[in-house]
Amino acid sequence: AAGVIQSPRHLIKEKRETATLKCYPIPRHDTVYWYQQGPGQDPQFLISFYEKMQSDKGSIPDRFSAQQFSDYHSELNMSSLELGDSALYFCASSLGTGLGELYGYTFGSGTRLTVV
Amino acid sequence: AQSVTQPDIHITVSEGASLELRCNYSYGATPYLFWYVQSPGQGLQLLLKYFSGDTLVQGIKGFEAEFKRSQSSFNLRKPSVHWSDAAEYFCAVALGGDDKIIFGKGTRLHILP
Repeated sequence: AAGVIQSPRHLIKEKRETATLKCYPIPRHDTVYWYQQGPGQDPQFLISFYEKMQSDKGSIPDRFSAQQFSDYHSELNMSSLELGDSALYFCASSLGTGLGELYGYTFGSGTRLTVV
Repeated sequence: AQSVTQPDIHITVSEGASLELRCNYSYGATPYLFWYVQSPGQGLQLLLKYFSGDTLVQGIKGFEAEFKRSQSSFNLRKPSVHWSDAAEYFCAVALGGDDKIIFGKGTRLHILP
């Protein structure tokens, strides 16, 4: 079965550089969520999109922005990178109907961002 | 605000022993409940989920969880652990079908040979 695809798997950037992470949801899933997981931490919700509109916002720094495109893939743009941005970034997708068993998150394998 | 508490940061059990990982949530209504497992440097794998109905939920890899409304708990259990079960386990909640998932701090499971 198709899964959530994230690219790249690994990314190394220098401080103050910009990074773009991509997420391709499961086919027919219309909702995308982004999470950040620092070393030894639990995943923290950043932002979500439903039908290409921002649906919720968490602890996302102002230096970060994201969008969902017409094909439902999403991109997380991170500017002025700081050492503290080094983390595993997960994307998850779901079908935004909330219809019981049809509902469910599927997470991608993540992008490991290292800022040096 | 909704929250998830996993009181045990680390748990060590012997291979073949039974396991119970605790999870309590704080929310007025019954949320959607999940358990995820994460091996070091890997992604999050869904073990099981509860929305409604039977309070004993069966998951993958021989795991099960029981929802107890009176205790606001959703503990994960396995009758006999294997060395490959060593990982980080996250309990998580969501308010509804379209809502974000909130994770607990996680419990690191160590297996003794």
